[in-house]
Amino acid sequence: GDSVTQMEGPVTLSEEAFLTINCTYTATGYPSLFWYVQYPGEGLQLLLKATKADDKGSNKGFEATYRKETTSFHLEKGSVQVSDSAVYFCALRGSNYKLTFGKGTLLTVNP
Amino acid sequence: KAGVTQTPRYLIKTRGQQVTLSCSPISGHRSVSWYQQTPGQGLQFLFEYFSETQRNKGNFPGRFSGRQFSNSRSEMNVSTLELGDSALYLCASSTGQGPYEQYFGPGTRLTVT
Repeated sequence: GDSVTQMEGPVTLSEEAFLTINCTYTATGYPSLFWYVQYPGEGLQLLLKATKADDKGSNKGFEATYRKETTSFHLEKGSVQVSDSAVYFCALRGSNYKLTFGKGTLLTVNP
Repeated sequence: KAGVTQTPRYLIKTRGQQVTLSCSPISGHRSVSWYQQTPGQGLQFLFEYFSETQRNKGNFPGRFSGRQFSNSRSEMNVSTLELGDSALYLCASSTGQGPYEQYFGPGTRLTVT
């Protein structure tokens, strides 16, 4: 079945540091890939998406590129802010329509 | 456009009782999916409804059930509650077609005592 593996963290960075959260997946066919973010006490918000190989999703300074050859969709940001502190989830949507999530990565950014 | 709404936001129930959670999707969206989020198991897919029909189902016991109404609103029911059912229940709305993205509500926090 479909699966998503992401670094579980926690990840602690200083403001303005570079962020990478690794995500790899296993799926049949050509899944769509997503990154969601969850702030404390809230539901999930879609951060970015990519629907085919080599697509780059981007939003709010975050980027991720759909790499089919390495089955990866790593999240990056060049300069993190305290307000980026949250839990980040990598997810895929396969041919069966349901979303499969990774376990989430807690990011804490210190001033 | 209004977002996904879930009611109630918080709920405390006793073991053995049953509970019904409600989700109103974004206007025009025909698909509603339900997820259970716990610290130990993370986000787990419960089921998806599209145009009043269950299109997909996760690996949960039959105590977990759902339905969708003609206006796309959805309810989830859990019968014979167990302590392990304590979780954040999230509902997600989408068009249900194409490479659609899902938009999540704030969740219902269920505590079973």
